[in-house]
Formats: sequence, C-alpha cells, structure tokens
Amino acid sequence: AQSVTQLDSHVSVSEGTPVLLRCNYSSSYSPSLFWYVQHPNKGLQLLLKYTSAATLVKGINGFEAEFKKSETSFHLTKPSAHMSDAAEYFCVVNTNAGKSTFGDGTTLTVKP
Amino acid sequence: GAGVSQSPSNKVTEKGKDVELRCDPISGHTALYWYRQSLGQGLEFLIYFQGNSAPDKSGLPSDRFSAERTGGSVSTLTIQRTQQEDSAVYLCASSFYTGKPDTQYFGPGTRLTVL
Repeated sequence: AQSVTQLDSHVSVSEGTPVLLRCNYSSSYSPSLFWYVQHPNKGLQLLLKYTSAATLVKGINGFEAEFKKSETSFHLTKPSAHMSDAAEYFCVVNTNAGKSTFGDGTTLTVKP
Repeated sequence: GAGVSQSPSNKVTEKGKDVELRCDPISGHTALYWYRQSLGQGLEFLIYFQGNSAPDKSGLPSDRFSAERTGGSVSTLTIQRTQQEDSAVYLCASSFYTGKPDTQYFGPGTRLTVL
C-alpha cells in the first residue's frame, strides 16, 4: 500500500521569500516520488522527480526537493518565490507496479 | 512532437446515458494512466495500462466504469449509466516505462458534466 500526505492545503508567502511545501509518503516498496504543478486552467506539469539517484533533486523554475528516507519526506522548496509560482502543487508516489497516488494538493499563494 | 490529446474537451450528458472518453498518448509511451479530478479536489487514480494490459484496476469507482486500450496506443474510458457524482475532469497521462515509473505527461482533460 502507498499513500501521500501533503501537510498544508494552503500556503501563502510574500514575493521574494522562501517557499516550503511539505509532503510525507508511505510505501511498501522503494518509491519514485514526483512533484507536479497545475496553474489555473492549465495542464499538469512535472516540476521534479526522485528515482533513487541523488537525494537532492533540482527541478524547473528554481524548485528543489530532498528525499529523506528516515523521515519519509519529500518536501519542495524554493529560495525566493515569484508571483508566477502561484498554483496548485501535487506530490506523487509511484511504485514499480505502476499505480500513482497523488496528494490532495497544496495551493500556493504569492503576495506582492 | 505532439503531446497527449483527449477528446472531447467538454461533454455534457444526461443522467443515465453512457459516455466514452478518448485518450491519444504520446507516440512510443507504453504506460497510460486515467485520473479523475473533482472540483477542488486532488487527482484520483482510476486505472493504469502497460501496453494493452491493465495490471491495476483497483481505482475504478464502480462497475459502471471500464477502460480499454488497443494497439498499445489509444485508450477509451467508458462510463455507463452516468450519475451526477461522475461530473469531474477526467485526465489522461502517458509515460515511458523502463522498469521504474517515469515522468507522466498529462493531456488537457475532458470536463464531464452530468445533468
């Protein structure tokens, strides 16, 4: 069995300040972990992925995430938020069996 | 190349009617996924295909839902005797599969409204 918990349904930051979106997972197998972003009225887009290589993963638009097995976490961070980062973010766990489990999403608001 | 395409983009139907939703994956992608996104909620996994086979059908909400994939390419999700709670955006995604899950590329979705 596998599950994903995004600890915050809404996060609000000021432009230029750091972003932290939290994700915890559980999986019976070695998981692959992903972060996707969904901008309003647009499709889902991959931000970054962890597939058992380096534990610190860098993605697009300055985002990165660190896989911490001991904490079963895969938190998404960005040093400095931009207005264009406002969107819905989803943490996803996949196993080799193919099933994808999405978290409930975190809505990021960026204030000017 | 072309991305994942889905048709129709919008579908309005009456309760009790059957609907078919189509997904054309990226050429060469062996894995294909169907999800449902209800208003204000996350993505609910429905079914996954590897080639033409669906090893995991556990996400299908009821026996009114079925899906098939032919020729390792196009997939159709069929909902029989639609209910109002079936109203949602249905998303399709495809990916390469080389033994480990890879990046999923999502289509624009089909917005289904059941009156």
